[in-house]
Amino acid sequence: EVQLLESGGGLVQPGGSLRLSCAASGFTFSSYGMSWVRQTPGRGLEWVSTLSGSGNTTYYADSVKGRFTISRDNSKNTLYLQLSSLRAEDTAIYYCAKLNLGTRLAYFDFWGQGSLVTVSS
Amino acid sequence: DIQMTQSPSTLSASVGDRVTITCRVSQSISSWLAWYQQKPGKAPKPVIYEASTLATGVPSRFSGSGSGTEFTLTISSLQPDDFATYYCQQYYSNSRTFGHGTKVEIK
Repeated sequence: EVQLLESGGGLVQPGGSLRLSCAASGFTFSSYGMSWVRQTPGRGLEWVSTLSGSGNTTYYADSVKGRFTISRDNSKNTLYLQLSSLRAEDTAIYYCAKLNLGTRLAYFDFWGQGSLVTVSS
Repeated sequence: DIQMTQSPSTLSASVGDRVTITCRVSQSISSWLAWYQQKPGKAPKPVIYEASTLATGVPSRFSGSGSGTEFTLTISSLQPDDFATYYCQQYYSNSRTFGHGTKVEIK
């Protein structure tokens, strides 16, 4: 059974940093692309970033480019998202999502339960 | 970025009704479209992928159609478990985008 378990969310001040983790199990982690997707009541679902199975290819939304970094440790079956220079508008539930293939032409076939990040002073 | 326009934003229906949700896309994406169902406090889960393929475990009352720029999700006979919010999402571009959602509520 595929499981994705996020952790690391919390309250952080504007300009601060945070690292989210997503522990994966139930599939061959290194064979699949992985993504982060966030959700807010106002902006709905927003794709944030994608990383290939090998970790060599990354994609970012313009809204987070240069501030967020996606990475993975295939030996630990774990996906990460480093959030820096945080802004109030980064407040959201962050979901880890597995792609059904690599990175191209792949949809999200499994999602984690989400981790809440709140950016506020 | 590719823009996704979903309609309606809210749909009131009764158990047994046939319901249809539309998703219009700002450029052709062939059939690279998925539909997700989300219930309050839960993560989205796939219902349809590649425009018309049923995701694993999804009942056959769900169907998807369309290609290019116009797509529909149909529930042939609405069941109590189907009251939720539905999102379309394109994955033609690596910069994936979602529709704003359609809330299916009880009439």
